[in-house]
Amino acid sequence: AQSVTQPDIHITVSEGASLELRCNYSYGATPYLFWYVQSPGQGLQLLLKYFSGDTLVQGIKGFEAEFKRSQSSFNLRKPSVHWSDAAEYFCAVGTFSGNTPLVFGKGTRLSVIA
Amino acid sequence: GAVVSQHPSRVICKSGTSVKIECRSLDFQATTMFWYRQFPKQSLMLMATSNEGSKATYEQGVEKDKFLINHASLTLSTLTVTSAHPEDSSFYICSADTGTKAQYFGPGTRLLVL
Repeated sequence: AQSVTQPDIHITVSEGASLELRCNYSYGATPYLFWYVQSPGQGLQLLLKYFSGDTLVQGIKGFEAEFKRSQSSFNLRKPSVHWSDAAEYFCAVGTFSGNTPLVFGKGTRLSVIA
Repeated sequence: GAVVSQHPSRVICKSGTSVKIECRSLDFQATTMFWYRQFPKQSLMLMATSNEGSKATYEQGVEKDKFLINHASLTLSTLTVTSAHPEDSSFYICSADTGTKAQYFGPGTRLLVL
């Protein structure tokens, strides 16, 4: 079965600073990988996804993520964080099998300070 | 993009009553929908997989008689929390599979049982 680890529970960065959120997955085959963002009391918004092809994936709101098979990682990055990026970020993994649920990491809470 | 709606967005009920939550795919057909539950400051945990025209598949530890799922059409799945108790208070989120390995999430329903 697949699993996802987000090692950082909480990260604080200064506005304008760069950001990297870590995600490691465990799955025997090539996974489908996702990053979602959740603001307090809100649902999930898809930031980006990786299915195949180019391992550097561009998403919305200036985010990108890089799939590294050798490290079983799919870290999320943003070169310059804005105060509005403060939220909970979830990494998730899916499989090639159709109609299977996603497995989520525990999430990383991002705080942005002035 | 694909849109998934949930209704209601927020519900408060008395202990012992039943609550129905609807999940609709607005612009696509979803043979499979997933129901997740999220406790405060925690990740999403899969409760059940809802398949159109057949019985739902429940995850271990989820009481199927308490959380009734009906997927009557390709655009609607309902989750009914029967005889709700305070410990059922949570954030319930559904997602729908578009058939292209991408899942889209509803905005969530916050249930508070008094």
